[in-house]
Amino acid sequence: EVQLVESGGALVQPGGSLRLSCAASGFTFSSYSMNWVRQAPGKGLEWVSYIGRGSSPIYYADSVKGRFTISRDDAKNSLYLQMSSLRDEDTAVYFCTRDSGKTAADDYWGQGTLVTVSS
Amino acid sequence: QSVLTQPPSASGTPGQRVSISCSGSSSNIGSINFNWYQQLPGTAPRLLIYNNDERPAGVPDRFSGSRSGTSASLAISGLQSDDEGDYYCAAWVESLSSRVFGGGTKLTVL
Repeated sequence: EVQLVESGGALVQPGGSLRLSCAASGFTFSSYSMNWVRQAPGKGLEWVSYIGRGSSPIYYADSVKGRFTISRDDAKNSLYLQMSSLRDEDTAVYFCTRDSGKTAADDYWGQGTLVTVSS
Repeated sequence: QSVLTQPPSASGTPGQRVSISCSGSSSNIGSINFNWYQQLPGTAPRLLIYNNDERPAGVPDRFSGSRSGTSASLAISGLQSDDEGDYYCAAWVESLSSRVFGGGTKLTVL
Protein backbone atom coordinates (compact mmCIF):
# COMPACT_ATOMS: atom_id res chain seq x y z
CA GLU A 1 0.00 0.00 0.00
CA VAL A 2 1.35 3.40 -0.99
CA GLN A 3 1.77 5.72 1.98
CA LEU A 4 3.04 9.27 2.27
CA VAL A 5 3.43 10.65 5.78
CA GLU A 6 4.37 14.28 6.28
CA SER A 7 5.92 15.66 9.44
CA GLY A 8 7.63 18.77 10.71
CA GLY A 9 4.77 21.24 10.69
CA ALA A 10 4.79 23.72 13.54
CA LEU A 11 4.11 27.27 14.71
CA VAL A 12 6.95 29.52 13.59
CA GLN A 13 7.53 33.26 13.71
CA PRO A 14 7.71 35.39 10.55
CA GLY A 15 11.22 35.28 9.15
CA GLY A 16 11.85 31.89 10.68
CA SER A 17 12.75 28.55 9.12
CA LEU A 18 11.27 25.09 9.12
CA ARG A 19 12.00 21.74 7.48
CA LEU A 20 9.20 19.45 6.39
CA SER A 21 9.70 15.75 5.77
CA CYS A 22 7.67 13.17 3.88
CA ALA A 23 8.26 9.47 4.49
CA ALA A 24 7.25 7.30 1.55
CA SER A 25 6.50 3.60 1.56
CA GLY A 26 4.79 0.94 -0.53
CA PHE A 27 6.47 1.86 -3.82
CA THR A 28 9.91 2.35 -5.37
CA PHE A 29 10.47 5.92 -4.26
CA SER A 30 13.45 6.57 -6.52
CA SER A 31 11.33 5.84 -9.60
CA TYR A 32 8.92 8.72 -9.07
CA SER A 33 8.96 12.48 -9.21
CA MET A 34 7.45 14.18 -6.18
CA ASN A 35 5.72 17.43 -5.34
CA TRP A 36 4.77 19.65 -2.44
CA VAL A 37 1.31 21.23 -2.64
CA ARG A 38 -0.14 23.53 0.02
CA GLN A 39 -3.57 24.72 1.07
CA ALA A 40 -4.08 27.84 3.17
CA PRO A 41 -6.95 27.64 5.67
CA GLY A 42 -10.25 27.77 3.82
CA LYS A 43 -8.51 28.31 0.49
CA GLY A 44 -7.71 26.30 -2.63
CA LEU A 45 -4.74 24.20 -3.60
CA GLU A 46 -1.42 25.80 -4.54
CA TRP A 47 1.48 23.90 -6.06
CA VAL A 48 4.76 24.66 -4.29
CA SER A 49 7.58 22.62 -5.79
CA TYR A 50 8.53 19.63 -7.95
CA ILE A 51 11.55 17.36 -7.88
CA GLY A 52 12.29 14.82 -10.57
CA ARG A 53 13.85 11.42 -10.32
CA GLY A 54 17.49 11.68 -9.36
CA SER A 55 16.74 15.19 -8.02
CA SER A 56 16.48 16.72 -11.48
CA PRO A 57 14.78 18.83 -12.65
CA ILE A 58 13.58 21.00 -9.80
CA TYR A 59 10.89 23.67 -10.12
CA TYR A 60 9.34 26.16 -7.71
CA ALA A 61 6.27 28.36 -7.63
CA ASP A 62 7.16 32.03 -7.94
CA SER A 63 5.69 32.62 -4.46
CA VAL A 64 8.40 30.50 -2.80
CA LYS A 65 11.33 30.77 -5.21
CA GLY A 66 14.52 31.74 -3.40
CA ARG A 67 13.05 30.91 0.03
CA PHE A 68 12.16 27.20 -0.19
CA THR A 69 14.37 24.29 -1.18
CA ILE A 70 13.07 20.86 -2.17
CA SER A 71 15.26 17.79 -1.84
CA ARG A 72 15.02 14.02 -1.63
CA ASP A 73 16.97 11.12 -0.14
CA ASP A 74 16.22 7.99 -2.12
CA ALA A 75 18.16 5.82 0.32
CA LYS A 76 15.77 6.95 3.07
CA ASN A 77 12.65 7.05 0.86
CA SER A 78 12.15 10.62 1.98
CA LEU A 79 11.19 13.98 0.51
CA TYR A 80 12.01 17.29 2.18
CA LEU A 81 11.05 20.94 2.01
CA GLN A 82 13.39 23.43 3.65
CA MET A 83 11.49 26.66 4.22
CA SER A 84 13.16 29.92 5.21
CA SER A 85 12.20 33.60 5.46
CA LEU A 86 8.68 32.42 6.27
CA ARG A 87 5.80 34.83 5.84
CA ASP A 88 2.26 34.95 7.21
CA GLU A 89 0.99 33.90 3.78
CA ASP A 90 2.96 30.64 3.97
CA THR A 91 0.52 29.44 6.63
CA ALA A 92 -1.05 26.31 5.16
CA VAL A 93 -1.37 22.57 5.25
CA TYR A 94 1.50 21.16 3.20
CA PHE A 95 0.85 17.97 1.25
CA CYS A 96 3.47 15.63 -0.15
CA THR A 97 2.33 14.06 -3.42
CA ARG A 98 3.56 11.37 -5.79
CA ASP A 99 3.65 12.39 -9.43
CA SER A 100 2.18 9.56 -11.50
CA GLY A 101 4.29 10.52 -14.50
CA LYS A 102 1.12 10.97 -16.55
CA THR A 103 0.44 14.62 -17.42
CA ALA A 104 1.73 15.80 -14.03
CA ALA A 105 -1.09 14.11 -12.16
CA ASP A 106 -0.61 13.40 -8.45
CA ASP A 107 -1.92 9.92 -7.86
CA TYR A 108 -1.15 9.72 -4.14
CA TRP A 109 -1.33 12.39 -1.43
CA GLY A 110 -0.28 12.43 2.17
CA GLN A 111 -2.60 13.71 4.88
CA GLY A 112 -0.65 16.94 5.20
CA THR A 113 1.20 18.80 7.92
CA LEU A 114 0.17 22.23 9.21
CA VAL A 115 2.59 25.13 9.12
CA THR A 116 1.49 28.25 10.97
CA VAL A 117 3.50 31.44 10.58
CA SER A 118 2.56 33.93 13.24
CA SER A 119 4.10 36.15 15.87
CA GLN B 1 -5.91 35.60 -10.79
CA SER B 2 -5.43 31.90 -11.51
CA VAL B 3 -4.29 30.72 -14.92
CA LEU B 4 -7.15 28.20 -14.74
CA THR B 5 -10.62 29.58 -13.97
CA GLN B 6 -13.39 27.53 -12.38
CA PRO B 7 -16.85 28.57 -11.22
CA PRO B 8 -16.80 28.94 -7.41
CA SER B 9 -19.88 26.79 -6.93
CA ALA B 10 -22.07 24.17 -8.55
CA SER B 11 -25.07 22.23 -7.34
CA GLY B 12 -27.45 19.45 -8.25
CA THR B 13 -29.96 17.02 -6.85
CA PRO B 14 -29.33 13.31 -6.27
CA GLY B 15 -29.30 11.38 -9.53
CA GLN B 16 -28.73 14.49 -11.62
CA ARG B 17 -25.78 15.15 -13.94
CA VAL B 18 -23.59 18.18 -13.24
CA SER B 19 -20.64 19.66 -15.09
CA ILE B 20 -17.79 21.79 -13.82
CA SER B 21 -15.77 23.88 -16.24
CA CYS B 22 -12.11 24.87 -16.19
CA SER B 23 -11.01 27.60 -18.55
CA GLY B 24 -7.41 28.35 -19.32
CA SER B 25 -6.24 31.87 -20.15
CA SER B 26 -4.88 31.34 -23.62
CA SER B 27 -2.18 34.00 -23.54
CA ASN B 28 0.51 31.77 -22.11
CA ILE B 29 -0.90 28.28 -21.76
CA GLY B 30 -0.44 26.67 -25.11
CA SER B 31 -1.54 23.06 -25.35
CA ILE B 32 -2.10 21.55 -21.91
CA ASN B 33 -3.56 18.39 -20.49
CA PHE B 34 -5.94 18.64 -17.57
CA ASN B 35 -6.23 16.66 -14.37
CA TRP B 36 -9.09 16.79 -11.88
CA TYR B 37 -9.08 16.28 -8.12
CA GLN B 38 -11.83 15.74 -5.59
CA GLN B 39 -11.44 16.94 -2.01
CA LEU B 40 -14.11 15.78 0.39
CA PRO B 41 -14.49 17.71 3.66
CA GLY B 42 -11.57 17.18 6.02
CA THR B 43 -9.64 14.92 3.66
CA ALA B 44 -6.67 15.13 1.31
CA PRO B 45 -7.37 15.58 -2.40
CA ARG B 46 -7.87 12.50 -4.57
CA LEU B 47 -7.06 12.17 -8.27
CA LEU B 48 -10.28 11.74 -10.28
CA ILE B 49 -9.25 12.31 -13.90
CA TYR B 50 -5.85 12.56 -15.56
CA ASN B 51 -4.78 13.35 -19.12
CA ASN B 52 -8.12 15.10 -19.79
CA ASP B 53 -10.35 12.04 -19.81
CA GLU B 54 -8.71 9.03 -18.17
CA ARG B 55 -9.80 7.59 -14.84
CA PRO B 56 -7.42 6.02 -12.33
CA ALA B 57 -8.29 2.58 -11.08
CA GLY B 58 -11.06 2.72 -8.51
CA VAL B 59 -12.72 5.90 -9.74
CA PRO B 60 -16.34 5.20 -10.73
CA ASP B 61 -17.33 5.76 -14.34
CA ARG B 62 -19.87 8.32 -13.09
CA PHE B 63 -16.94 10.71 -13.31
CA SER B 64 -15.78 11.75 -16.77
CA GLY B 65 -13.58 14.44 -18.23
CA SER B 66 -13.20 16.17 -21.54
CA ARG B 67 -11.01 18.85 -23.07
CA SER B 68 -11.57 21.38 -25.81
CA GLY B 69 -8.64 23.61 -26.66
CA THR B 70 -7.47 25.33 -23.50
CA SER B 71 -10.61 24.44 -21.53
CA ALA B 72 -11.84 21.29 -19.84
CA SER B 73 -14.93 19.95 -18.13
CA LEU B 74 -15.61 17.43 -15.40
CA ALA B 75 -18.98 15.72 -15.53
CA ILE B 76 -20.55 13.80 -12.68
CA SER B 77 -23.58 11.68 -13.48
CA GLY B 78 -25.90 9.97 -11.02
CA LEU B 79 -25.04 12.58 -8.40
CA GLN B 80 -24.77 11.26 -4.84
CA SER B 81 -24.68 13.03 -1.50
CA ASP B 82 -21.16 11.64 -0.98
CA ASP B 83 -19.98 13.67 -3.98
CA GLU B 84 -20.34 16.88 -2.01
CA GLY B 85 -16.98 18.61 -1.73
CA ASP B 86 -14.45 20.69 -3.65
CA TYR B 87 -13.25 19.93 -7.16
CA TYR B 88 -10.04 21.27 -8.67
CA CYS B 89 -8.66 21.23 -12.16
CA ALA B 90 -4.90 21.30 -12.64
CA ALA B 91 -2.30 21.22 -15.37
CA TRP B 92 1.41 21.54 -16.01
CA VAL B 93 2.08 24.68 -18.04
CA GLU B 94 5.31 24.23 -19.96
CA SER B 95 5.74 27.92 -20.77
CA LEU B 96 5.66 28.75 -17.06
CA SER B 97 7.58 25.65 -15.88
CA SER B 98 4.84 25.47 -13.33
CA ARG B 99 1.97 23.37 -12.15
CA VAL B 100 -1.24 25.37 -11.84
CA PHE B 101 -4.50 24.66 -10.05
CA GLY B 102 -7.87 26.18 -10.71
CA GLY B 103 -9.46 28.05 -7.83
CA GLY B 104 -11.76 25.14 -7.05
CA THR B 105 -15.50 24.55 -7.33
CA LYS B 106 -17.61 23.74 -4.31
CA LEU B 107 -20.21 21.14 -5.24
CA THR B 108 -23.39 21.03 -3.20
CA VAL B 109 -25.86 18.16 -3.45
CA LEU B 110 -29.28 19.61 -2.66
